[in-house]
Amino acid sequence: NAGVTQTPKFRVLKTGQSMTLLCAQDMNHEYMYWYRQDPGMGLRLIHYSVGEGTTAKGEVPDGYNVSRLKKQNFLLGLESAAPSQTSVYFCASRDRGPYEQYFGPGTRLTVT
Amino acid sequence: AQSVTQLDSQVPVFEEAPVELRCNYSSSVSVYLFWYVQYPNQGLQLLLKYLSGSTLVESINGFEAEFNKSQTSFHLRKPSVHISDTAEYFCAVIGGGSNYKLTFGKGTLLTVNP
Repeated sequence: NAGVTQTPKFRVLKTGQSMTLLCAQDMNHEYMYWYRQDPGMGLRLIHYSVGEGTTAKGEVPDGYNVSRLKKQNFLLGLESAAPSQTSVYFCASRDRGPYEQYFGPGTRLTVT
Repeated sequence: AQSVTQLDSQVPVFEEAPVELRCNYSSSVSVYLFWYVQYPNQGLQLLLKYLSGSTLVESINGFEAEFNKSQTSFHLRKPSVHISDTAEYFCAVIGGGSNYKLTFGKGTLLTVNP
């Protein structure tokens, strides 16, 4: 039981390049989330999904897109990376209750 | 909309001293409250949670938090800290009409010095 895994762990992009971050969970959870963590800002919700085939915007969705084609996977895409997207990205999942979220180990992204 | 305020961004203490990390939330309806811990270069792990019942909840490594509805607080305490407790601690709340989204505070960095 691997829990929540994220791929890749580290990535460096040039401004304007695109990439996709993959989150996978093996707990059969309904809800999945993408957050970004920046110093002094805590965790901010980018997008989330309440089930396969559904997505919704969070607090800071601009510049990101997501897809949830399979229940176990939640993809975060950056179509044209900007230096402001330099951050640590965390994926999380949870079941319908009792509301605890399980986090992945994070992806550290640097955009130069 | 919900919000969570962690009143201290950094808390330095000496080993074996007591510590309190403060958390206040704003919500006019029922909420569920969490404390997460993040060790250096790792993801977040659940430390403890309040869903219902006893207002005092405990973790397996000696932390406890008390839900105080009248003061809208959920402070985290430990009577005697260890070097290994050095980490960032996040308070979070869910509820207030949305059971999908967890709202986090900005975190408190606890540094335990020898």
